[in-house]
Amino acid sequence: QVQLQESGPGLVRPSETLSLTCTVSGGSINPYYWSWIRQPPGKGLEWIGYIHHSGSTNYNPSLQSRVSISLDTSKNQFSLRLTSVTAADTAVYFCARGGGWLPRFWGQGALVTVSS
Amino acid sequence: EIVLTQSPVTLSSSPGEGAALSCRASQSVGNNYLAWFQQKPGQAPRLLIYDASTRATGVPDRFSGSGSGTDFTLTISRLEPEDFAVYYCQQSATSPLTFGGGTKVEIK
Repeated sequence: QVQLQESGPGLVRPSETLSLTCTVSGGSINPYYWSWIRQPPGKGLEWIGYIHHSGSTNYNPSLQSRVSISLDTSKNQFSLRLTSVTAADTAVYFCARGGGWLPRFWGQGALVTVSS
Repeated sequence: EIVLTQSPVTLSSSPGEGAALSCRASQSVGNNYLAWFQQKPGQAPRLLIYDASTRATGVPDRFSGSGSGTDFTLTISRLEPEDFAVYYCQQSATSPLTFGGGTKVEIK
């Protein structure tokens, strides 16, 4: 059974860059889509973007100018970078493995707070 | 982008009762790539239904999905205590992937 685990700083200063890594165990990076999804405290879910095992990416237009997702197949990891963060980026960030685009299996989530 | 509108926002029911949750899309969801997720406090969403009506592995058969095009429904035939949670619909037909705002099923 595949397992996903998010890791990274829990606190990021405004205007800086948020960086998270998702480590995949119990399965290969191939041949799936790998997504990042976030949820502000007490609110709904927002898809950030995905990366395909081939390296192709697709981002939510609302975040496209600030986001990048990358893949490290040697470590079975994929990563999220979100630049120029503000308090509005405070959220629980989930990584997920797709069945096609559908985020089928999810990590437990990591809370990232943007504050000075 | 496809906007998903869920109703009601809150549904108050008792264990043993049935529940019907609605998800309406702003445009047709291609191939009925509409999924339903359940989320409990402090947990990640759990996939219940995909392709509008296919139960995910391990999901009890009291959960069923129906609908096509722009109108979809998640039905819980008899609510169990562990079913009180927030439910989200989600479409994977068109980028950007989008989620509905959620329906909270609470104990009456």
